Amino acid sequence: EADIYQTPRYLVIGTGKKITLECSQTMGHDKMYWYQQDPGMELHLIHYSYGVNSTEKGDLSSESTVSRIRTEHFPLTLESARPSHTSQYLCASSYGQDTGELFFGEGSRLTVL
Amino acid sequence: GQNIDQPTEMTATEGAIVQINCTYQTSGFNGLFWYQQHAGEAPTFLSYNVLDGLEEKGRFSSFLSRSKGYSYLLLKELQMKDSASYLCVVMDSNYQLIWGAGTKLIIKP
Repeated sequence: EADIYQTPRYLVIGTGKKITLECSQTMGHDKMYWYQQDPGMELHLIHYSYGVNSTEKGDLSSESTVSRIRTEHFPLTLESARPSHTSQYLCASSYGQDTGELFFGEGSRLTVL
Repeated sequence: GQNIDQPTEMTATEGAIVQINCTYQTSGFNGLFWYQQHAGEAPTFLSYNVLDGLEEKGRFSSFLSRSKGYSYLLLKELQMKDSASYLCVVMDSNYQLIWGAGTKLIIKP
């Protein structure tokens, strides 16, 4: 069983608000990811990290930021939420840099009104 | 561009066998992965192929042909709990993961 946790699980907020989605893993994995997924659609990579103090942008990174100060923690911040940000956000981690076996958190479902 | 194709939806009967196909065109290849995703949940890892051939794991098997850019996931003795989306994922030459949109599998009694 994967030990990766996301909070909040569900969030409804108004346009323009700043939000941070939390993600923590206790497996000691170096690589962590944030994905966005709409129902029935493929996963889109937002940001990823190879380890502490490493962050890289994915396909949908322009409206969000991440930080990796500790191995276990990889928060995602939206500075100004918009209705187009309404989606499911999935955090994942992997034990190596070149493995495709990812362990996912349960997801954070965001609704922006 | 990089592309993964898999059927949008398939229907099968409980107890039967179903094969979900995946074709890919990517910049290099470092492995192919299958994930299962139940509705409203996160994906979970099922299988990994990097060499040609069949990998078997219980009721699930995955096949790869690198020359044809083709893989399939074979599910035997289908159970109702197998109703889910199955995602084909390819790792390219830069170790980036390319995700397919998934095949929604509907199991009927």
